[in-house]
Amino acid sequence: EVQLVESGGGLVQPGGSLRLSCVASGFTFSSSWMHWVRQTPGKGLEWVARMRSDGSVIGHADSVKGRFTISRDNAKNTLYLQMNSLRVEDTAMYYCARVQRSGGGWTFDFWGQGALVTVS
Amino acid sequence: DFQMTQSPPSLSASVGDSVTIICRASQSINNNLNWYQQKPGTAPRLLIFGASSLQSGVPSRFSGSGSGTDFTLTISSLQPDDFATYYCQQSYSTPPTFGQGTKVEIK
Repeated sequence: EVQLVESGGGLVQPGGSLRLSCVASGFTFSSSWMHWVRQTPGKGLEWVARMRSDGSVIGHADSVKGRFTISRDNAKNTLYLQMNSLRVEDTAMYYCARVQRSGGGWTFDFWGQGALVTVS
Repeated sequence: DFQMTQSPPSLSASVGDSVTIICRASQSINNNLNWYQQKPGTAPRLLIFGASSLQSGVPSRFSGSGSGTDFTLTISSLQPDDFATYYCQQSYSTPPTFGQGTKVEIK
């Protein structure tokens, strides 16, 4: 059974830091692209960052570029999101999501349960 | 960024009704369109990928169609378990972007 379990969320003051973790099981983590997506009541679902299976391709949303860093440890089946210089507007539920590729496209086929980050 | 616009924002329907949700992309995304269902307090769940392909385990009353800029998600014979919020998402261009959601409520 595929499982993605996030941890590391919490309450932090503006300007502070947090590191989210997402532990994967039930599939070959080292073969999967992984993303972080966040959700707020006001802005809905917003893509945050992505990383290729081997870590060779990385991307971050403009809204977090220079402050957040995605990384992974394939030996530990774990995806990370280091969040620095946090702002009130970063308050959200953060999900890690696995990518499924089919034909010429891709989709998020499994999501973790989410980690709540509150900046206040 | 590609903007995704869903309509309506919400709708009320009865068990057994057929409902259709529309998603429009700001530019052509070919068939790189996915649909998700989300219930309160849970993560999104993949329903449809590639505009019209049903994800494994998803009931056949869910169907998707469209290409280019205009897409639809149809739920035929709405069931009690289907009352939720539905999101479209384009995977044609980075950053991937989502619609604002359509909440399906019980009439």
